Amino acid sequence: QVQLQQWGAGLLKPSETLSLTCAVSGGSFGGDYWSWIRQSPGKGLQWIGEINHRGTTSYNPSLKSRVTISADTSKNQFSLSLTSVTAADTAVYSCARVRSRRLGVGDHTWVFDIWGQGTMVTISS
Amino acid sequence: DIQMTQSPSSLSASVGDRVTITCRASQSIGTDLSWYQHKPGKVPKLLIYAASRLESGVPSRFSGSGSGTVFTLTINNVQSDDFATYFCQGGYNPPRTFGQGTKVEVK
Repeated sequence: QVQLQQWGAGLLKPSETLSLTCAVSGGSFGGDYWSWIRQSPGKGLQWIGEINHRGTTSYNPSLKSRVTISADTSKNQFSLSLTSVTAADTAVYSCARVRSRRLGVGDHTWVFDIWGQGTMVTISS
Repeated sequence: DIQMTQSPSSLSASVGDRVTITCRASQSIGTDLSWYQHKPGKVPKLLIYAASRLESGVPSRFSGSGSGTVFTLTINNVQSDDFATYFCQGGYNPPRTFGQGTKVEVK
């Protein structure tokens, strides 16, 4: 059974760089998208971006200038880097698998089917 | 980009009630809509995908409907295990967008 285990620093100062890594165990890295999502206190979920095994990335336009998602397929890991953090970046950050679900011949959709445990990241001086 | 608007933001229910949550997309997304359940301290759980398809292992009291821009999640005969936050996620291509969530609380 595929599991995601994430880790990274939980307390940062403003202007520092947030770095988180998510390890995929129990399955392969290929064929899916690997995503980062965050939830700020009292707010809804915000998709940050994703990467596939080929290194193809997509980012949330509102964060794109500060975000980099990378992958190390040899280690079955993917990472998030968010630069120049502020208090507004305080949130629970989660990694997740985005997998295709077949609906019929030539038809499919995408779902977030496996999630990491989440990491609380606090930005404070 | 597609925006997902979920309502209500919270509701109170009793065991045995029927609960309905609505998610509206800012533009048509066909049936590319999923529903998730999230409990404190746990990871989100996929309930419904493609607007109406029940994820394996999810109780049949959960159902989804809708297409285009309006979607609903219905919980029939709410059980104690169902008190949680529910959110939708819509669209086929990135950027992927979530609804703001609906907290289902005990009345």
